Amino acid sequence: KAGVTQTPRYLIKTRGQQVTLSCSPISGHRSVSWYQQTPGQGLQFLFEYFSETQRNKGNFPGRFSGRQFSNSRSEMNVSTLELGDSALYLCASSPDWSNEQFFGPGTRLTVL
Amino acid sequence: AQSVTQPDIHITVSEGASLELRCNYSYGATPYLFWYVQSPGQGLQLLLKYFSGDTLVQGIKGFEAEFKRSQSSFNLRKPSVHWSDAAEYFCAVGAPNDYKLSFGAGTTVTVRA
Repeated sequence: KAGVTQTPRYLIKTRGQQVTLSCSPISGHRSVSWYQQTPGQGLQFLFEYFSETQRNKGNFPGRFSGRQFSNSRSEMNVSTLELGDSALYLCASSPDWSNEQFFGPGTRLTVL
Repeated sequence: AQSVTQPDIHITVSEGASLELRCNYSYGATPYLFWYVQSPGQGLQLLLKYFSGDTLVQGIKGFEAEFKRSQSSFNLRKPSVHWSDAAEYFCAVGAPNDYKLSFGAGTTVTVRA
């Protein structure tokens, strides 16, 4: 089975721009979660989707948004980028969230 | 809300020696507990998980963890460390119907020859 794939792997943007990150879960997995990882704040939960419904959202500003499609693929969007948004963004999929979450390699976002 | 504390930021251990990583959680009921490992530039890989039942959990790569409710702990152990175990280790806690994991700050393990 193919693992969780995230595209792109690396991204460089400038302040004020917006960005869309993509996550393709393992086939058959309906739950997709997103996490932000930074040296200062560690791993922080962004949101979780199951069957196109957002079931939980972390404590992030409204500039961070996400969605899930009918094929379980998910995207997250960050608008009006700030320097502090530079991070590794990890996506995880599972049959349902409480089972083992399989993480993708992440997208490294650098905001200049 | 649940939270996790990993008291040790960095641990250095000799190859072949035993390893124990500490994890303390805060949650009112029995949580879901996980240990993940992350190698540089990689995503997270699950080592083991605890939902209920036997409090000693066996995982991959020779790791085990013990759930101690009285101490709110879920410490990770390995009897004999290999150089390939050098990585960052994260303890995480989840709650039923909360749909998220809360991670500790992580412990970096260095293995010396």
